[in-house]
Amino acid sequence: AQTVTQSQPEMSVQEAETVTLSCTYDTSENNYYLFWYKQPPSRQMILVIRQEAYKQQNATENRFSVNFQKAAKSFSLKISDSQLGDTAMYFCAFMYSGTYKYIFGTGTRLKVLA
Amino acid sequence: DTGVSQDPRHKITKRGQNVTFRCDPISEHNRLYWYRQTLGQGPEFLTYFQNEAQLEKSRLLSDRFSAERPKGSFSTLEIQRTEQGDSAMYLCASSLASAGGYGYTFGSGTRLTVV
Repeated sequence: AQTVTQSQPEMSVQEAETVTLSCTYDTSENNYYLFWYKQPPSRQMILVIRQEAYKQQNATENRFSVNFQKAAKSFSLKISDSQLGDTAMYFCAFMYSGTYKYIFGTGTRLKVLA
Repeated sequence: DTGVSQDPRHKITKRGQNVTFRCDPISEHNRLYWYRQTLGQGPEFLTYFQNEAQLEKSRLLSDRFSAERPKGSFSTLEIQRTEQGDSAMYLCASSLASAGGYGYTFGSGTRLTVV
């Protein structure tokens, strides 16, 4: 079965610093997508960034970037210039190409400190 | 468009009672999904609809759970004879069928507490 592992239950970072959240996954397939979602306290989940497995170039969205290592099945999220509003639960998720179901990790709770 | 709306935001019910949740997706989205999120876990897939057709149900969805999406618009999730193990956040999301790889839009969820 496919699994997504987030080994850091909680992390903290000082405002304006950089933090990296880890995610590993297990699959034997070649075509899939990877996502990072942010879930602020009591608010909806928001897509932060996505990566298509066939693309070697790492995705970036403003202060957010990923380090996608397909052979190692690793998909880490780097947040640069951390802001107080980045405080949230972050979920890594996997989806097979052509399907519709996410497999989520257990999440990393990130706290940005002033 | 106000995004995906879920109602109620919170529900406290006594064990054995029936509860119903509603989800209004983004109007042009033809796919609608339900996920359940328990404390300390990531969301887990429950079921999904394409238009009005329910195309898959997870094994997590016992016979006490039923979901509908009449006319392919809003959806309801009903839990009959609630149990304490049903306490969780129930998330609804929607997407275009052609754009699943671009991610869903999630609602804010309904938090169910069974006492």
